[in-house]
Amino acid sequence: DAGVTQSPTHLIKTRGQQVTLRCSPKSGHDTVSWYQQALGQGPQFIFQYYEEEERQRGNFPDRFSGHQFPNYSSELNVNALWLGDSALYLCASSLMGFADTQYFGPGTRLTVL
Amino acid sequence: AQTVTQSQPEMSVQEAETVTLSCTYDTSENNYYLFWYKQPPSRQMILVIRQEAYKQQNATENRFSVNFQKAAKSFSLKISDSQLGDTAMYFCAFMKPSTIIQGAQKLVFGQGTRLTINP
Repeated sequence: DAGVTQSPTHLIKTRGQQVTLRCSPKSGHDTVSWYQQALGQGPQFIFQYYEEEERQRGNFPDRFSGHQFPNYSSELNVNALWLGDSALYLCASSLMGFADTQYFGPGTRLTVL
Repeated sequence: AQTVTQSQPEMSVQEAETVTLSCTYDTSENNYYLFWYKQPPSRQMILVIRQEAYKQQNATENRFSVNFQKAAKSFSLKISDSQLGDTAMYFCAFMKPSTIIQGAQKLVFGQGTRLTINP
């Protein structure tokens, strides 16, 4: 049973660039949530996708956008990167209306120089 | 808005000892879920244990158990017979139940407790 997968593992970008992170949910899951984890902090909720729509959004600017595909996989896009976007980006999947437990992927470490 | 507080930034115990990590939360909801996640140096967030607020009985998973005090809004994690592999950051998290209209709910995390198990 494949767990949540994320790509790439690491990414280095410069200020002003754009980045796309990818996530494949655990088999059988239909909901994907994205979190940003700064060094030494707990994860912060960015947004969540279900049925290819953004259902909830945390306190993040419009530079952060996403997409969910028919196969339930998801992308996180960040435009106009700045130094403060350097963080571990975590993807979590769950099954809507069942158990409400989110399972996490290994994360993508983004460094903005 | 819900908040989660972990008052112990770091803890250290000897292998085979028992350790308790503290967590308090603030909410006006009556029904919700509470979780403990473990994040080892490999950085993958791993579910340790989950508690439904409507259940009186404390959840247990092998060496891991919780002390859930709903009135006090307290949710501590006890690790018995600690092992070197338990070394990790531990995060307490809160979540409201999902609804069809709103969708699945977000996890609200505490700041974490860094636990070190010494040989």
